[in-house]
Amino acid sequence: GESVGLHLPTLSVQEGDNSIINCAYSNSASDYFIWYKQESGKGPQFIIDIRSNMDKRQGQRVTVLLNKTVKHLSLQIAATQPGDSAVYFCAENEGRALTFGSGTRLQVQP
Amino acid sequence: DGGITQSPKYLFRKEGQNVTLSCEQNLNHDAMYWYRQDPGQGLRLIYYSQIVNDFQKGDIAEGYSVSREKKESFPLTVTSAQKNPTAFYLCASSILLAAYEQYFGPGTRLTVT
Repeated sequence: GESVGLHLPTLSVQEGDNSIINCAYSNSASDYFIWYKQESGKGPQFIIDIRSNMDKRQGQRVTVLLNKTVKHLSLQIAATQPGDSAVYFCAENEGRALTFGSGTRLQVQP
Repeated sequence: DGGITQSPKYLFRKEGQNVTLSCEQNLNHDAMYWYRQDPGQGLRLIYYSQIVNDFQKGDIAEGYSVSREKKESFPLTVTSAQKNPTAFYLCASSILLAAYEQYFGPGTRLTVT
């Protein structure tokens, strides 16, 4: 498969535990913040987004938290499963397109 | 079955040759995007287009060219002027003014030797 993220920071968790992936962003003017999941050899898959006027948003098994004071974004995955193993990217949007962070590899141990 | 297709999945070229990567979408999206991804890094924007016959440079457009003759298609040409073309190339699309919700294709891995 595609060698995405050879030197990425790695988060290793046990199956069933909760995972928290963090991201620092740079643009205070960004309107939206988005989390993507990328499996080896595939394109990124949209997980969840949050608008800049919110501080928390929940989806199915996932929660995104936004702290604009310190420009910090986090993705919480509840009851992590083996299928959650992937590289996770945060991205920010101000108008034209997306600016991506460098990613975190999540490894789920059985 | 709606989505974005990129072909081929793997592409090999000799240095000095131009190569065109295909991207087609049947989602009826107005906006399309090209990103480059290198190992250990996030995606970087090459070009984007919000409407047919119009496109804009992204952060790393040098050595690349695009066209948008049809709404469904946004091919990317990697020219010989691109100094380090070996990378994973990803195409995406979105509805107009909703760049925060982009849908990605499976990518093309280009290797230039």
